[in-house]
Parts: sequence; structure tokens; C-alpha cells
Amino acid sequence: AQTVTQSQPEMSVQEAETVTLSCTYDTSESNYYLFWYKQPPSRQMILVIRQEAYKQQNATENRFSVNFQKAAKSFSLKISDSQLGDTAMYFCAHVSSGSARQLTFGSGTQLTVLP
Amino acid sequence: NAGVTQTPKFRVLKTGQSMTLLCAQDMNHEYMYWYRQDPGMGLRLIHYSVGEGTTAKGEVPDGYNVSRLKKQNFLLGLESAAPSQTSVYFCASRAIRAEAFFGQGTRLTVV
Repeated sequence: AQTVTQSQPEMSVQEAETVTLSCTYDTSESNYYLFWYKQPPSRQMILVIRQEAYKQQNATENRFSVNFQKAAKSFSLKISDSQLGDTAMYFCAHVSSGSARQLTFGSGTQLTVLP
Repeated sequence: NAGVTQTPKFRVLKTGQSMTLLCAQDMNHEYMYWYRQDPGMGLRLIHYSVGEGTTAKGEVPDGYNVSRLKKQNFLLGLESAAPSQTSVYFCASRAIRAEAFFGQGTRLTVV
């Protein structure tokens, strides 16, 4: 069974600084997808960024980028120029492109951006 | 385009009562999922479906049943609610090779 581990339950960062959230996963599949989702206090789940395992290039979306290390099964999220609106719970997720199709989430990291 | 809609948004049940949560998506997605979210535990997969008429167990299926008679709907049933099932429930759907889209969540309290 695939697992996703986020070892940082809480983190904080000063406004305008950079922060990195960690995620590791375990899978026996060779092709899969990885995601970071953001959940603000409104409870809505919002996609931040996605990475396809067969692509070696790290995904970027404006201030958000990932460091994808396939051999190490690591998928960290870097947030640059942190803004107060980035305060949220962040979840890492994995889904196989094989027959299993389970979408598995980590336990989350609560990020607080301090003014 | 409504996306993923969950019904109801809030519910209070007494122990032993039954209820059904409805998830409807209008994006023609193949895959649908039901999760529960509890503090410090992230989203845990209850059941999922890879297509109309199919369902499969996730990480925490006990006490829940599901059905997907129509492609656009995924129902989650609690036959005999227990206080341990107090949680926020999320439905999600996704297309092949794509990210998941989520409903707004259902807060269920079992007293």
C-alpha cells in the first residue's frame, strides 16, 4: 500500500521569506502523480501544484515550486515571498497511474505566515 | 459549472441512526473518492470508485457503505452511526491523469 508522510505538523515563516514543506512517499509503482493541496480556514481544498513522475523537471507555479527526488521518494514544496494568504494547512498527495488509482494524502502541515 | 457538490453541508445524528451523504460531479470524471478528515490525521480514504458500478475499500472502510449507480453520483452511507464517525467528510473526483477536485465538505456530528 502506498503511504505519504509529512513530518512537520506545524511551521511558521515571516512574511516575504521562503519556506520549504517536506513530503516523502512510498510506492512500488514507476509512474504516478504527486500533488500539493492547500486548505485555508474556509475548508476548501485547493490544488497548489502537481508533478508527474516521468517528468524530471521540477514543477513551478508562480511563487510555488517543488523539489522532486524520485529515487529518494521525496517531494518538497517551496513557497517563495510568503504572503499572509498562504496561511493554511498543506497536504501532500500521491496517486498511481496503475490499476490501484488510490489517491493518498499525508497528515498535513499547518503553515502560519507571520506579519 | 458546479464542479463537485456535497449534500448536506452539516448534519447532527443520534447514535444508531442512519444517513446517506450524496456527492455529485458534473465533469464526467471516472474516479470518485470519499474521505474523512480528523484533526492531526489528514484525509483518510474511506471508499473510492474507478467507474460507474464499481467501488473499492480504502484505508478506513468499516462502518460505511458506498454505491455508484450513476457515473456522476457517489453515495456514502452510514447504517448505524457511532460517535467515532463524527468528522468532516470530503468527496472528490478526478479524470485520468489529472488532479482531484473536491466538494466543500460535510460536517457530521454523532451524539
